[in-house]
Amino acid sequence: QSVLTQPPSVSAAPGQKVSISCSGSSSNIGSRSVSWYHQLPGTAPKLLIYDNNKRPSGIPDRFSGSKSGTSATLGITGLQTGDEADYYCGTWDDSLNAGVFGGGTKLTVL
Amino acid sequence: EVQLLESGGGLVQPGGSLRLSCAASGFSFGGYAMTWVRQAPGKGLEWVSSVGSGGDTYYTDSVKGRFTISRDNSKNTLYLQMNSLRVEDTAVYHCAKGGIGEGGLYNWGQGTLVTVSS
Repeated sequence: QSVLTQPPSVSAAPGQKVSISCSGSSSNIGSRSVSWYHQLPGTAPKLLIYDNNKRPSGIPDRFSGSKSGTSATLGITGLQTGDEADYYCGTWDDSLNAGVFGGGTKLTVL
Repeated sequence: EVQLLESGGGLVQPGGSLRLSCAASGFSFGGYAMTWVRQAPGKGLEWVSSVGSGGDTYYTDSVKGRFTISRDNSKNTLYLQMNSLRVEDTAVYHCAKGGIGEGGLYNWGQGTLVTVSS
């Protein structure tokens, strides 16, 4: 059971928008920055969003992040088949004094 | 260009030891926190351990007392000494630049596979 809760799967059609939620608590998301990662099959994870809503260079603005209270959300617009991947949220947990990830969300672009 | 290259994985019996290495290049290694993340076959990401630029260390509960993270800034290399290995430690181990909190895990290595089996 992951400390951060994500839906196991989401799906949408090409060109549409999807949101992936990440729910935590006051000891993690409520007090720390959230980052988001995607992992294409057979590859290493890649940073998509850091510090809740910032994009590393090279990440298109189709990807966005937000945080409210103890939850965070990754938004993806203009879905492409190449966006099919597993998506993970992560942050620090002050109670555990350790990093934590969500269980991951598999995105299917129908 | 940032490069992270893990090595040291392999097959080990339960109770055995392995030392993973992560050779870093393309950035000022000593100025960054570094992190180990693992992924068991068919499972999600699991944060394992991190070391700050000042040498402070952190571990997930399941590896405390068994794993030791360290860094050699003169060699631009991160290590993970893994002792008393268990079957459930079987995973691909990735090293990453940064910490999972502020700034995120900015760059990742391709990983090295650790298999614990008799």
